[in-house]
Amino acid sequence: DVKVTQSSRYLVKRTGEKVFLECVQDMDHENMFWYRQDPGLGLRLIYFSYDVKMKEKGDIPEGYSVSREKKERFSLILESASTNQTSMYLCASRASWGGGAYEQYFGPGTRLTVT
Amino acid sequence: LAKTTQPISMDSYEGQEVNITCSHNNIATNDYITWYQQFPSQGPRFIIQGYKTKVTNEVASLFIPADRKSSTLSLPRVSLSDTAVYYCLVGDIYNNNDMRFGAGTRLTVKP
Repeated sequence: DVKVTQSSRYLVKRTGEKVFLECVQDMDHENMFWYRQDPGLGLRLIYFSYDVKMKEKGDIPEGYSVSREKKERFSLILESASTNQTSMYLCASRASWGGGAYEQYFGPGTRLTVT
Repeated sequence: LAKTTQPISMDSYEGQEVNITCSHNNIATNDYITWYQQFPSQGPRFIIQGYKTKVTNEVASLFIPADRKSSTLSLPRVSLSDTAVYYCLVGDIYNNNDMRFGAGTRLTVKP
């Protein structure tokens, strides 16, 4: 089974702190994604990556950056956390080829609270 | 990007068939329709995907009319464990920049 893991299930940070959210997948997938999920808004795409060191902005990249130094790992960075970044953060991965390429596999999520 | 519209919430009872419809009037030729299910405290998981007509797997069916401007996810004989949020996505499945989740439909199954 594909497994996508996220470094923390719950995280509490203070305003202005630099926050790192880590995501690791074990299926050698080329594509990785970061979403945030808020009530009534569904999942919104922050950034995605289709290869090592490659990244593309999604719909809401402001206040975030990402890093993909290794194929299996995709990090989301909040340079200076703010209270409006309190949210559930979900990581996903997807293959580029083959019959399962259309399916995104999600991690369990990190609930981040910024106080 | 194809915009999707689905009901915010639905209620059902155990044993009933549930149909959740998603509208996507500006669907493009290369777009597929994909449905995900999300339980509380978990990430979404893939349920079913289709391009046209009908697709069925072990958990659901997906009905897509000829004009493809809408689609209906059908869950047969739901149980309490089917209580979840269901998301409809429309887009080019191989284009990362083209797939967007909507707000989802919260399905509550009652005993």
